[in-house]
Amino acid sequence: ETGVTQTPRHLVMGMTNKKSLKCEQHLGHNAMYWYKQSAKKPLELMFVYSLEERVENNSVPSRFSPECPNSSHLFLHLHTLQPEDSALYLCASSQEVGGTSPNTGELFFGEGSRLTVL
Amino acid sequence: GQNIDQPTEMTATEGAIVQINCTYQTSGFNGLFWYQQHAGEAPTFLSYNVLDGLEEKGRFSSFLSRSKGYSYLLLKELQMKDSASYLCAVVNSNYQLIWGAGTKLIIKP
Repeated sequence: ETGVTQTPRHLVMGMTNKKSLKCEQHLGHNAMYWYKQSAKKPLELMFVYSLEERVENNSVPSRFSPECPNSSHLFLHLHTLQPEDSALYLCASSQEVGGTSPNTGELFFGEGSRLTVL
Repeated sequence: GQNIDQPTEMTATEGAIVQINCTYQTSGFNGLFWYQQHAGEAPTFLSYNVLDGLEEKGRFSSFLSRSKGYSYLLLKELQMKDSASYLCAVVNSNYQLIWGAGTKLIIKP
């Protein structure tokens, strides 16, 4: 138990569907992140939120839409996805964004949402 | 460009020692992380090095050489539960995390 909970754990959707991934952290952290993890590839940072404000958006297609209503919750809204979007989507939180000490830089990950796009 | 290299897969025997290497080329350096990820689970923090040298934490140790752009994770007295992927990540001068693709470690009895 890392203190970061993601739902659903598994999701299968068609290319025309709309779905959302949810992340909740119980650690009192100020920063939350969405990562994409594909087999044998480095983690790809998608979005970063600090105190509910988006601070980074790494050229992610508009079919992925993040939402951070408060510092404990993060959503990733999905619509008209492509088969190549199939991957494990990981949510993470940290005390602060960036930082040079492990107490601020260490990430706490959820177990991920395994997405399959047909 | 920025790059982290680590072996894709390694195999070791239960009870033995294994060293997982990570080399990096990044725009600046503000520390290096190692994370462990069991299949189907969340990555979890193992270690953080910002100064040169070896840091030991139980059966796991992490080494850093900033001049060589090199780190390794050393696992001693291997147990079956150590079968997992090990992710190396470097904090660059902009405090961005640059990730390697991970090393899948297989432990055999």
